[in-house]
Amino acid sequence: GENVEQHPSTLSVQEGDSAVIKCTYSDSASNYFPWYKQELGKRPQLIIDIRSNVGEKKDQRIAVTLNKTAKHFSLHITETQPEDSAVYFCAASTDDYKLSFGAGTTVTVRA
Amino acid sequence: NAGVTQTPKFRVLKTGQSMTLLCAQDMNHEYMYWYRQDPGMGLRLIHYSVGEGTTAKGEVPDGYNVSRLKKQNFLLGLESAAPSQTSVYFCASSLTSGGTGELFFGEGSRLTVL
Repeated sequence: GENVEQHPSTLSVQEGDSAVIKCTYSDSASNYFPWYKQELGKRPQLIIDIRSNVGEKKDQRIAVTLNKTAKHFSLHITETQPEDSAVYFCAASTDDYKLSFGAGTTVTVRA
Repeated sequence: NAGVTQTPKFRVLKTGQSMTLLCAQDMNHEYMYWYRQDPGMGLRLIHYSVGEGTTAKGEVPDGYNVSRLKKQNFLLGLESAAPSQTSVYFCASSLTSGGTGELFFGEGSRLTVL
């Protein structure tokens, strides 16, 4: 099955700086790559996703890039704010029903 | 519109006891999922359903059973709980199949098995 690795496991950034989280996947057939954000004690929520026919997607301060050749994708958060502190999960899917999630990155934004 | 709701939110079991987690969604979604979340391991799929009356195994199905008798409900059962099943359980639903579209998660159910 699909194996998704996520790095780093923890990330501390100064408010206003950028944060980058990287994920690699094993199955070249994967075609959908969402990112979920989970605030402390809350449920995961989708923040952005990208499909394999697109190389980059942006939504305000968040962007995701995909490199199909290298089988990796990244989440970029610019101008970080305290409310960006959370656990971020990447995921990849190879079939219609199942997502494989990375282990998560705990992001802390220091004031 | 409540979205996805899970009950109970917290439960403590002794080894060998059984219990059922209930997931209900009011979005008329066809697809429903049960995940477990453990520190450092992300979210792992236990079982899923692609419609009323259907169920299928995910990554870590052993020790769990599920049923989807009604479209809006997806039940997760533990027949004989083990300490290894201590975890936070999340139910999710999706309008399109989960490998292609957004998952809507419940608030989670924290289960401790002593």
